[in-house]
Amino acid sequence: GAVVSQHPSWVICKSGTSVKIECRSLDFQATTMFWYRQFPKQSLMLMATSNEGSKATYEQGVEKDKFLINHASLTLSTLTVTSAHPEDSSFYICSARPGGAGPYEQYFGPGTRLTVT
Amino acid sequence: AQKVTQAQTEISVVEKEDVTLDCVYETRDTTYYLFWYKQPPSGELVFLIRRNSFDEQNEISGRYSWNFQKSTSSFNFTITASQVVDSAVYFCALSRVQGAQKLVFGQGTRLTINP
Repeated sequence: GAVVSQHPSWVICKSGTSVKIECRSLDFQATTMFWYRQFPKQSLMLMATSNEGSKATYEQGVEKDKFLINHASLTLSTLTVTSAHPEDSSFYICSARPGGAGPYEQYFGPGTRLTVT
Repeated sequence: AQKVTQAQTEISVVEKEDVTLDCVYETRDTTYYLFWYKQPPSGELVFLIRRNSFDEQNEISGRYSWNFQKSTSSFNFTITASQVVDSAVYFCALSRVQGAQKLVFGQGTRLTINP
């Protein structure tokens, strides 16, 4: 149980274009989803927290107009990197947390490696 | 503010040795969760353990064991009789009990087990 998928697993795009990454919880409903960015040999940095049906909450220093997050359903959240630049090249990881008040751990997707040329 | 420190950036040991990964955390919360995750070369995070702050019992799961010392704000992870498949980056993380329970990760420890 508790599987989270991401699509695509890797993507190469040209500078100035936008790219969308999907995060899906396959066998549970995720009230909350999280988006992380991980640069090579570094830790995971939380970018934003999204709750189904409401606007995402961005961490300090993350440009909300550049990283658009949509959590349209209880099983799908998307991250769109707009006007991508080479410095946006990174490993993007989503996680999903089931609904309710329990101490549910976050289930992580396999990540999406973005390369901007 | 919450903070997690993993002082060991890289550790390299020979197979079958025991190895301990250190984790020190800071929080003003009286209750919180602590986690360990494994990130193999594939990149996908693997959940290893969650520990509630009120439960200071040490835990053992096969070759893995965890030592939670609230007095020193540490949550160390030991692998006994290490194997090559244990090679990965290991992250310690902390979250609040309330709210979204966002994870704050340590810098990670890259563990290499040599045959």
